[in-house]
Amino acid sequence: DAGVIQSPRHEVTEMGQEVTLRCKPISGHDYLFWYRQTMMRGLELLIYFNNNVPIDDSGMPEDRFSAKMPNASFSTLKIQPSEPRDSAVYFCASSLGAKGVSPLHFGNGTRLTVT
Amino acid sequence: DQQVKQNSPSLSVQEGRISILNCDYTNSMFDYFLWYKKYPAEGPTFLISISSIKDKNEDGRFTVFLNKSAKHLSLHIVPSQPGDSAVYFCAAGKSAGNKLTFGGGTRVLVKP
Repeated sequence: DAGVIQSPRHEVTEMGQEVTLRCKPISGHDYLFWYRQTMMRGLELLIYFNNNVPIDDSGMPEDRFSAKMPNASFSTLKIQPSEPRDSAVYFCASSLGAKGVSPLHFGNGTRLTVT
Repeated sequence: DQQVKQNSPSLSVQEGRISILNCDYTNSMFDYFLWYKKYPAEGPTFLISISSIKDKNEDGRFTVFLNKSAKHLSLHIVPSQPGDSAVYFCAAGKSAGNKLTFGGGTRVLVKP
C-alpha cells in the first residue's frame, strides 16, 4: 500500500498567486481530510469529505480557500489568491469510516511558503 | 477555543526511563481518543487509541490511560528509546463522526 500521496512536497509562491495542493487517498478509504499545521494553531482541520461529498468545511479560513474531490482517488485544495499568512504545512489524510472513529492515515504534507 | 490541549510543549527523558505525555480535553462528547507520533518532514502516524468505555489500553511499550471524570488522558512509553524522539499529538473524536481534533503536540527527546 502506497499510503496517502501528496504533491508537491514543497511549494514556494508569491503573494497573490494561485496555489493548488493535491492528494491521493489510500484506495478504499471513504473519508478524506485536509489539515493545516502552523506553530500558532497546531493541526487544524480545514475540511473533510465522505464518499467525495464535503461534510464539514467550517475550518476553511476564508473564501480564498476551496477544496474539491472529483472522484474517490483524488482531491485538491486551492488557495486563490495566496497570502503570506497561508504559509504552513498542509496535510491530507484518509480513513475507512465504516464504523465509528477510525485512525487517520496522513500523507507527508506539502510545505507551502508564500512570500 | 482549544478543545484538546497538551500543556507541555516538550519533554526530555533518559533512555530506558518512562516518558509520560499528558492531554486534556473539554468537550464531554468526545468518546474516542488517539495518539499520533510525528517525525520531521513526515505526516503523523497512528500510535494507539482508546475508547471511552475503557480506562486503559496497552500496546507493547505504549499504554494510554483515560480519566473521563477529569477529561484527561496520558501516554506512557516504557522503556523510552532514542527512536521515540518525535512530536506526539493527542487527538479526540466522536463515534458519531470521523473528524479528529488534535492537541498542539509535545516534543519528546530521548537521550542515549
